[in-house]
Amino acid sequence: DVKVTQSSRYLVKRTGEKVFLECVQDMDHENMFWYRQDPGLGLRLIYFSYDVKMKEKGDIPEGYSVSREKKERFSLILESASTNQTSMYLCASSSGTGGRNQPQHFGDGTRLSIL
Amino acid sequence: GENVEQHPSTLSVQEGDSAVIKCTYSDSASNYFPWYKQELGKGPQLIIDIRSNVGEKKDQRIAVTLNKTAKHFSLHITETQPEDSAVYFCAASSDSNYQLIWGAGTKLIIKP
Repeated sequence: DVKVTQSSRYLVKRTGEKVFLECVQDMDHENMFWYRQDPGLGLRLIYFSYDVKMKEKGDIPEGYSVSREKKERFSLILESASTNQTSMYLCASSSGTGGRNQPQHFGDGTRLSIL
Repeated sequence: GENVEQHPSTLSVQEGDSAVIKCTYSDSASNYFPWYKQELGKGPQLIIDIRSNVGEKKDQRIAVTLNKTAKHFSLHITETQPEDSAVYFCAASSDSNYQLIWGAGTKLIIKP
């Protein structure tokens, strides 16, 4: 089974802090994704990466950046945390084999609170 | 832009009855339609998906139907059980991008 591991289940930070969320997958997947999930809004894509050192903006990239130095690891960075970034953050990965539309496998999320 | 509408937002059914969740998509180029189940405290898990070259797919008590002309697809769960209680998400994507367009989710409640 694919395993996507997010480093923290719960995280509390203060406004203005630089926050790092880490995600590791063990299936050698080419594609990795960061979403945020808010009640009533479903899942919104922040950034994704289809290869090491490659990144693409999703629907809501403002206030975030990402880093993918190794194939298995994809980091989400909140440059200067603000209270409106309090949310559930979900990481996912998918295979690049067989075309772009492949199932995404999710971690269990990091619930981030910015005080 | 592209969007996926999902209905209902909440669905309550008696244990043993069937549940149907419907989604409508706007991008006629969409050709991949996954369904995810999210249990409390967990990430979404893929339960079934369908591609546009088929109209229906079944996996035990779960089935998905696709109507490309009307641009809608549905999830059917038969003989519902308490463990089916969760939030279900539909999504759609096309070959031109990596991005899934997500519905807003349906909270399914199975009443004992």
